[in-house]
Amino acid sequence: QKEVEQNSGPLSVPEGAIASLNCTYSDRGSQSFFWYRQYSGKSPELIMFIYSNGDKEDGRFTAQLNKASQYVSLLIRDSQPSDSATYLCAASFGNEKLTFGTGTRLTIIP
Amino acid sequence: GAVVSQHPSWVICKSGTSVKIECRSLDFQATTMFWYRQFPKQSLMLMATSNEGSKATYEQGVEKDKFLINHASLTLSTLTVTSAHPEDSSFYICSAPRGEVTPDTQYFGPGTRLTVL
Repeated sequence: QKEVEQNSGPLSVPEGAIASLNCTYSDRGSQSFFWYRQYSGKSPELIMFIYSNGDKEDGRFTAQLNKASQYVSLLIRDSQPSDSATYLCAASFGNEKLTFGTGTRLTIIP
Repeated sequence: GAVVSQHPSWVICKSGTSVKIECRSLDFQATTMFWYRQFPKQSLMLMATSNEGSKATYEQGVEKDKFLINHASLTLSTLTVTSAHPEDSSFYICSAPRGEVTPDTQYFGPGTRLTVL
């Protein structure tokens, strides 16, 4: 069974610090990985996707993928209170269907 | 801007009635759309895959006769909750893949909050 695991948190980070969110997946056939942000009462919003080993940067966000370790992470630099949300990690196996983790609740402390 | 829309954003209905939720892809065609349900403080649960021009594929444990899905066009999928009961109250969210770079990058609609009295 394909699984994606995340630490549910809550993860508390001081404003201005780096928030590090981690995700592991069970199926080596996973091809693409996604990070979504979900504010309370809202639907998920795509932040980044990554499908090659290494780092991918977009503004304050950096996604990291290590296929050998089956590990995906999201770093948020210069954390802001507006980054407080639940972050969902998802994996795809190339058939458009995503498998989601349970999400990590992040709180940025002013 | 938004790439997937949903209507209505919220609905309150009486027990035993049916409710229809629409999901539209904006400015792109989606042969596949996905329907999720999310209870408070829980993660997304995939209910079914909506396939344009063919029957939907339901996840294990989801009653296909209760949650009717129709994907009549390349931009519209509908979910009908039939004979709704209070336990069906939830946040229903659709998504559509828009393969600009990867074929499976999914964008979510804003969601529909259903309350069954």
